[in-house]
Amino acid sequence: GIQVEQSPPDLILQEGANSTLRCNFSDSVNNLQWFHQNPWGQLINLFYIPSGTKQNGRLSATTVATERYSLLYISSSQTTDSGVYFCAVINYGGSQGNLIFGKGTKLSVKP
Amino acid sequence: DADVTQTPRNRITKTGKRIMLECSQTKGHDRMYWYRQDPGLGLRLIYYSFDVKDINKGEISDGYSVSRQAQAKFSLSLESAIPNQTALYFCATSDTGPAYNEQFFGPGTRLTVL
Repeated sequence: GIQVEQSPPDLILQEGANSTLRCNFSDSVNNLQWFHQNPWGQLINLFYIPSGTKQNGRLSATTVATERYSLLYISSSQTTDSGVYFCAVINYGGSQGNLIFGKGTKLSVKP
Repeated sequence: DADVTQTPRNRITKTGKRIMLECSQTKGHDRMYWYRQDPGLGLRLIYYSFDVKDINKGEISDGYSVSRQAQAKFSLSLESAIPNQTALYFCATSDTGPAYNEQFFGPGTRLTVL
């Protein structure tokens, strides 16, 4: 099945710094989503982005489907950005319509 | 009000007990999913349902069963709980068709089996 790899696995930032998280996937995808899992365990939808670029406030994401990767940019990071960021994909040819998750990037933003 | 709700939010139970986790949604979506998350890992699919009469096993269905009582309700049962089913459980929904397959997640149920 499709493989999803995220990097880096851990990231520590000082408040106000910028960061880029990467998601590589091994096959073509029909869906790609970015999530933020907060310290209480809740999964928050950030972007639905099978291709192209989107922006939402300090966050933006770009997916280059032909090269099988997606990037999540966080600018001017805040302590509330801490948590785990997951990339998840669907490949209808190889899955049951469920999202296949990477192992996540754990982000810690220090004040 | 939240679009996808799960009850209970936290549960501690003992080995061998039967337990049910419930999910309700007000998004009007046909598709519903149950996922499980173990510490330090992403989510894995337990069961999914594309409509009320369509229920399918996912990657890790052993030890679990489900019921789709209505379009809006999808329940997950552990018939005889065991400690390695201790995990965070998520329900999710999505609309129908490949062009509308963004998934939306509930707040999760933290289950501990002693």
